[in-house]
Amino acid sequence: DTEVTQTPKHLVMGMTNKKSLKCEQHMGHRAMYWYKQKAKKPPELMFVYSYEKLSINESVPSRFSPECPNSSLLNLHLHALQPEDSALYLCASSHSAAVSYNEQFFGPGTRLTVL
Amino acid sequence: AQKVTQAQTEISVVEKEDVTLDCVYETRDTTYYLFWYKQPPSGELVFLIRRNSFDEQNEISGRYSWNFQKSTSSFNFTITASQVVDSAVYFCALSEGYNFNKFYFGSGTKLNVKP
Repeated sequence: DTEVTQTPKHLVMGMTNKKSLKCEQHMGHRAMYWYKQKAKKPPELMFVYSYEKLSINESVPSRFSPECPNSSLLNLHLHALQPEDSALYLCASSHSAAVSYNEQFFGPGTRLTVL
Repeated sequence: AQKVTQAQTEISVVEKEDVTLDCVYETRDTTYYLFWYKQPPSGELVFLIRRNSFDEQNEISGRYSWNFQKSTSSFNFTITASQVVDSAVYFCALSEGYNFNKFYFGSGTKLNVKP
């Protein structure tokens, strides 16, 4: 199994809602990532988990809250989002985050719209 | 300063034409890794190739080839005999040293292949 899955594919939420994005991989990877991608822009790194511990937080607002329940799962909890948070949210995984040579495998993304 | 520059925002070619996508990078590390990813309209980033800084051999994979030149800090990607299915946004990325597996993405080049 060489894929990263993400649910849901699409999500529409109001600014007062609480929702969660889910990501799963079964490749035995110990690093998982959340990226945000706006239209016609490259992915922007949000968080990196290494061995289920948060290793990098790229100064992301607290309305985004990541969670890594185990080595295969990664969640992104959303609360009180703003319309400018509408974007494609991509999850990725790699063998390890501790070295720079690993390719990252990406999921198909969740397209989020905040009304 | 941007670490990875993809100066071509959008390129349009007719099927069967060859096309080269440019990537110029900037780093002070002697050990680094360069990647190319393809992002079709579906959204998922697909890994194409990784190259380390110590290996300047060009690589060919079917219709795809990569030209790595340290002297000009470039890692260009050529598609020979392009096909409509090659239409996508292509990202070049850099990962530095023995650091965390953090990618610096270029801004991407959108390739349109017309029948």
